[in-house]
Amino acid sequence: GAGVSQSPSNKVTEKGKDVELRCDPISGHTALYWYRQSLGQGLEFLIYFQGNSAPDKSGLPSDRFSAERTGGSVSTLTIQRTQQEDSAVYLCASSEGTSYEQYFGPGTRLTVT
Amino acid sequence: AQSVTQLGSHVSVSEGALVLLRCNYSSSVPPYLFWYVQYPNQGLQLLLKYTSAATLVKGINGFEAEFKKSETSFHLTKPSAHMSDAAEYFCAVSVDSGYSTLTFGKGTMLLVSP
Repeated sequence: GAGVSQSPSNKVTEKGKDVELRCDPISGHTALYWYRQSLGQGLEFLIYFQGNSAPDKSGLPSDRFSAERTGGSVSTLTIQRTQQEDSAVYLCASSEGTSYEQYFGPGTRLTVT
Repeated sequence: AQSVTQLGSHVSVSEGALVLLRCNYSSSVPPYLFWYVQYPNQGLQLLLKYTSAATLVKGINGFEAEFKKSETSFHLTKPSAHMSDAAEYFCAVSVDSGYSTLTFGKGTMLLVSP
């Protein structure tokens, strides 16, 4: 079946602009995660959605970052007033909820100039 | 809180040689441990996971890892490296049984030379 998809695959934006990154999880997966992968920093957890519960936003680095998940499926990560330090690969993953196996998408490479 | 330390940002081996990628964790409760692999321009793929069953875990592509509680380690090994094993490898830990946000190490790039 189809895996996790993310769009766009690459995004170049100017400092100060807003960007939206999209994630389509595997059909039926109730849990959805966003991570940020920065050079030399590994993967950093950002936010987690599980079913209809309130999301776990504990990893969001600032209030410029927000995410929503509509209809329990597609998720959008929004970064407002982008800064150069936001440049990274943003990875989305989904899982069956209580299962520990997370399936990752290919990521969106964000470059802020 | 939990954390993961991967020793060595880069590891180089020759084709056919033993692969050993080191991972040490810190956790206040029994951990769940994972190894992921990331090929260039791709997402992460689960290699193997430890979830409190057998301490020696076998994964895909001939990789295995051993959970050693006394050493707080979960090192990844493969007896004989292939060129196709060249990738970045991430160790991760999770301690919450209700949901699983993973804490990742910084990754180790495996380089395989002919």
